[in-house]
Amino acid sequence: AQSVTQPDIHITVSEGASLELRCNYSYGATPYLFWYVQSPGQGLQLLLKYFSGDTLVQGIKGFEAEFKRSQSSFNLRKPSVHWSDAAEYFCAVGANSGNTPLVFGKGTRLSVIA
Amino acid sequence: GAGVSQTPSNKVTEKGKYVELRCDPISGHTALYWYRQSLGQGPEFLIYFQGTGAADDSGLPNDRFFAVRPEGSVSTLKIQRTERGDSAVYLCASSWGRTGHYNEQFFGPGTRLTVL
Repeated sequence: AQSVTQPDIHITVSEGASLELRCNYSYGATPYLFWYVQSPGQGLQLLLKYFSGDTLVQGIKGFEAEFKRSQSSFNLRKPSVHWSDAAEYFCAVGANSGNTPLVFGKGTRLSVIA
Repeated sequence: GAGVSQTPSNKVTEKGKYVELRCDPISGHTALYWYRQSLGQGPEFLIYFQGTGAADDSGLPNDRFFAVRPEGSVSTLKIQRTERGDSAVYLCASSWGRTGHYNEQFFGPGTRLTVL
């Protein structure tokens, strides 16, 4: 069975500082991997996804993530955080077919301070 | 174009009552998913429709939960004899549902259910 672990429940960073959110997954084959962002009262928005190929993927809003098979990780990064990035971030894994449901981690809440 | 919409946005009910939550997917999307997000948790899968039929209902927690999608578009999640533990945000997502392709799931804003 698939599973996702996000070890950090809450992270606080200063505006302009770099950010890394950790995600570890468990899946028997090459997974589909995703990062979503959820702002208060909003639905989940897809930041980026990995299927295959280049292990460094670029997403929206200046985010990127790196797939490391040896570490079963898919960490999210941003070089300079903006106050508007404060939100809940979820890592998710899907089986490598087109329509299976996603398995989400418990999320990491990001706070941004001036 | 319009995204996934869910109604109501908030629902407060009493323990033991019946509730219905509605999801309007993006037009043309054949796949529809229901997830439940409890406080402090990530979304958890409940049920997935391909067209009118439930392709996977393995996430439904018990027989008090039921979902339908009679015309392959709008879906209704039905919860009987609600319990306080059912309090959560219920998320709906839809996708193109094409086989052999990745299909991005687009999420609605959710319905916050509170059972008193």
